[in-house]
Amino acid sequence: DTEVTQTPKHLVMGMTNKKSLKCEQHMGHRAMYWYKQKAKKPPELMFVYSYEKLSINESVPSRFSPECPNSSLLNLHLHALQPEDSALYLCASSQTSTGPLHFGNGTRLTVT
Amino acid sequence: AQSVTQLGSHVSVSEGALVLLRCNYSSSVPPYLFWYVQYPNQGLQLLLKYTTGATLVKGINGFEAEFKKSETSFHLTKPSAHMSDAAEYFCAVSIDTGNQFYFGTGTSLTVIP
Repeated sequence: DTEVTQTPKHLVMGMTNKKSLKCEQHMGHRAMYWYKQKAKKPPELMFVYSYEKLSINESVPSRFSPECPNSSLLNLHLHALQPEDSALYLCASSQTSTGPLHFGNGTRLTVT
Repeated sequence: AQSVTQLGSHVSVSEGALVLLRCNYSSSVPPYLFWYVQYPNQGLQLLLKYTTGATLVKGINGFEAEFKKSETSFHLTKPSAHMSDAAEYFCAVSIDTGNQFYFGTGTSLTVIP
């Protein structure tokens, strides 16, 4: 069982919809991450929160909006997505800035 | 800049044979090194990590890796492949500048019965 929990596991949304992905960890980790992964590719970093503050934004389009309500929760708000945004979205956490990363099982997003 | 190279995007081995997955990195500072495994429709699971100390690192599921600074390598091995080892494997590097992890392109391991 993974210690990072992501919901939902699957999400299908239209290009005009608004939806949110959720991530939760109870390991006391102070860094949390959103990654995007396309099939057969490595994860691509989107955002990093460190001590509940956004510390890294990898030039992600504004249709993706992260939120860290507290040290255990991480959300990714989605609006007006494009079909090319379809991917596996992975949440991760780490105790230190050098890792290791602990990943959730991801949300499989399909944009129609 | 840091980079990670995984030689061989696809590796096939027979069940019971040695598994060797290659990882080379470039880093101007001491790196932290990781191997992850990803099964279909799952997230990445940490196999093992090297931070400091002993250069031969043992991980889960019988895997181990050796950090060779002179060769800038961190190859993953397992003496005897099992069918359940079939998966995608990623090598990753981080350095002490904060929350940045560099992944290799991955190696897909097939185990032939």
